[in-house]
Amino acid sequence: EIVLTQSPATLSLSPGERATLSCTASQNIYIYLAWYQQKPGQAPRLLIYDASNRATGIPARFSGSGSGTDFTLTISSLEAEDFAVYYCQQRSNWPPPITFGQGTRLEIK
Amino acid sequence: VQLVQSGAEMKKPGASVKVSCKASGYTFTDYYIHWVRQAPGQGLEWMGWINPHSGDTNYAQNFQGRVTMTRDTSISTAYMELTGLTSDDTAVYYCARDLLEAVAVYFFASWGQGTLVTVSS
Repeated sequence: EIVLTQSPATLSLSPGERATLSCTASQNIYIYLAWYQQKPGQAPRLLIYDASNRATGIPARFSGSGSGTDFTLTISSLEAEDFAVYYCQQRSNWPPPITFGQGTRLEIK
Repeated sequence: VQLVQSGAEMKKPGASVKVSCKASGYTFTDYYIHWVRQAPGQGLEWMGWINPHSGDTNYAQNFQGRVTMTRDTSISTAYMELTGLTSDDTAVYYCARDLLEAVAVYFFASWGQGTLVTVSS
């Protein structure tokens, strides 16, 4: 099983600041990584797929980068609605084909 | 695109639960449907997918033998049935549509609202 490790577990920032979230895979997953945002009581929302492609309707302040085992989600200037939990997710040929990271909680400082 | 799931369920240990997911706003048979669950305060766990066009399924190893995914194309609805419930199955169960048409790329572009299944004696 491919394990995804997200860091930090919690990130405390203020609106307008830049957020950098990390996701490290236990094996090479090429670019097959997605990022999701989840707010309390809501389903996750796809932000980024294939490491750097923004999903439909996602604001340009969200960007993804990385390949192989190290990936980053950057939010260039935080807005109030961005405070949430963020999950990375990989897909591969290994069973199971999908695993998620444990999440990073982005909270208002 | 909208996925609307059935309501919350309360089940006893050993029972089964069947959750529905009704799709609208697109051609139901064109996109794989996945099921993902989330235990209270925990992360996300993929359970498997169904190809609504063919009815083919692929289940995560953790759920093999306990989960069955089906669909009714006449009403654009997918179903997930889980048997042998234990307290560890208490979770919100989500259906999610795959990102791309006609192939499972395992990225989830649209999600249902979730169905809370509580297992308790």
